[in-house]
Amino acid sequence: GAVVSQHPSWVICKSGTSVKIECRSLDFQATTMFWYRQFPKQSLMLMATSNEGSKATYEQGVEKDKFLINHASLTLSTLTVTSAHPEDSSFYICSADNRLGQGALNTIYFGEGSWLTVV
Amino acid sequence: KQEVTQIPAALSVPEGENLVLNCSFTDSAIYNLQWFRQDPGKGLTSLLLIQSSQREQTSGRLNASLDKSSGRSTLYIAASQPGDSATYLCAVRLSGNTGKLIFGQGTTLQVKP
Repeated sequence: GAVVSQHPSWVICKSGTSVKIECRSLDFQATTMFWYRQFPKQSLMLMATSNEGSKATYEQGVEKDKFLINHASLTLSTLTVTSAHPEDSSFYICSADNRLGQGALNTIYFGEGSWLTVV
Repeated sequence: KQEVTQIPAALSVPEGENLVLNCSFTDSAIYNLQWFRQDPGKGLTSLLLIQSSQREQTSGRLNASLDKSSGRSTLYIAASQPGDSATYLCAVRLSGNTGKLIFGQGTTLQVKP
């Protein structure tokens, strides 16, 4: 079946550095992927829509220059948190829309999520 | 703007009880509605997905209903077990099949042995 793999699962970085999180769709192509953020004891909030071969679409209040999204292929989207600060510490999770390939079509599959801690 | 609300925010019940979690949404123009389970420090596990044309879905001890016109969904858990303790999230997929999901705040369930 369709699987979305997210890497790394856990990452600790120093304040001011950048960190990249990868989201890969396995067995299917995803022209569109989505990035969510979840602060402790809060729900998931959509950050941006990642579009293959074009610029990402960011939700209101999300800084596009701080959260760089690249969707260079039909199976990979990356989220780079630039100049990370402790307040960026959060759970980041991606999803992919299965339009073609294994698994149920028109179904959203989620990655396992990535815990980011900025110290 | 679509908003999703879940009530209650937290729930504690003794083992064996049947319980109902509530989810409401403001815009009835949805593609589908999905219930997820999230364990502490973990990702999402999809439990049930109800298409906009459907009224309910069942899986084992779980039953989810959807009343699109009133903007409500319920997740029914029968014969609750300590292993059911987790946070349950309701998410609405927006109409137009955009793939965007709007999540509720979740209900944190504790089932006491």
